[in-house]
Amino acid sequence: DTAVSQTPKYLVTQMGNDKSIKCEQNLGHDTMYWYKQDSKKFLKIMFSYNNKELIINETVPNRFSPKSPDKAHLNLHINSLELGDSAVYFCASSQQTGTEILSDTQYFGPGTRLTVL
Amino acid sequence: GQNIDQPTEMTATEGAIVQINCTYQTSGFNGLFWYQQHAGEAPTFLSYNVLDGLEEKGRFSSFLSRSKGYSYLLLKELQMKDSASYLCAVMDSNYQLIWGAGTKLIIKP
Repeated sequence: DTAVSQTPKYLVTQMGNDKSIKCEQNLGHDTMYWYKQDSKKFLKIMFSYNNKELIINETVPNRFSPKSPDKAHLNLHINSLELGDSAVYFCASSQQTGTEILSDTQYFGPGTRLTVL
Repeated sequence: GQNIDQPTEMTATEGAIVQINCTYQTSGFNGLFWYQQHAGEAPTFLSYNVLDGLEEKGRFSSFLSRSKGYSYLLLKELQMKDSASYLCAVMDSNYQLIWGAGTKLIIKP
């Protein structure tokens, strides 16, 4: 069983479209994350979501919105896609944040390669 | 600002030893992580250090000096499958992970 799964693995779309990426974790973790990894390989945190508390990286455009139907899922919705949104998007989860540091080890999904044409 | 520095690329020979350095400047410190990322795949957890010293785990060891803002990952008995990027990440005072750009390690036969 895959611990953290994402769909789709590849997504090619036109500028201006709206798309969603789904993420599910079966680890029973409390916190989930979305990262963007650009061509220079920097991993940039976009959101973390813990027990309905959303922490947003203020540099993320409001075209990006996370949606969490339950603790095991954190989906990423992107409106009005732009060329610069092309990147690999990783979902990750960790047991909890802030209390026991070791449990903050993050487990990553396989990534979604988004290409905006 | 917060900053994590690692060499961009390193080359080593199969069977040898390589040390990948990481220096950091962050607002607070709640531990340092090393992740391995093969091309086209997700990062996978390797090690965690929060106290000074060396943590050994099989062929991989990780060292931390908090006073110097410095860590290294030591890989012994290198194998071809160790060719990957190695990411250093520091958890700051807000429990946010600050990531380095990664070091691409190339192993030659």
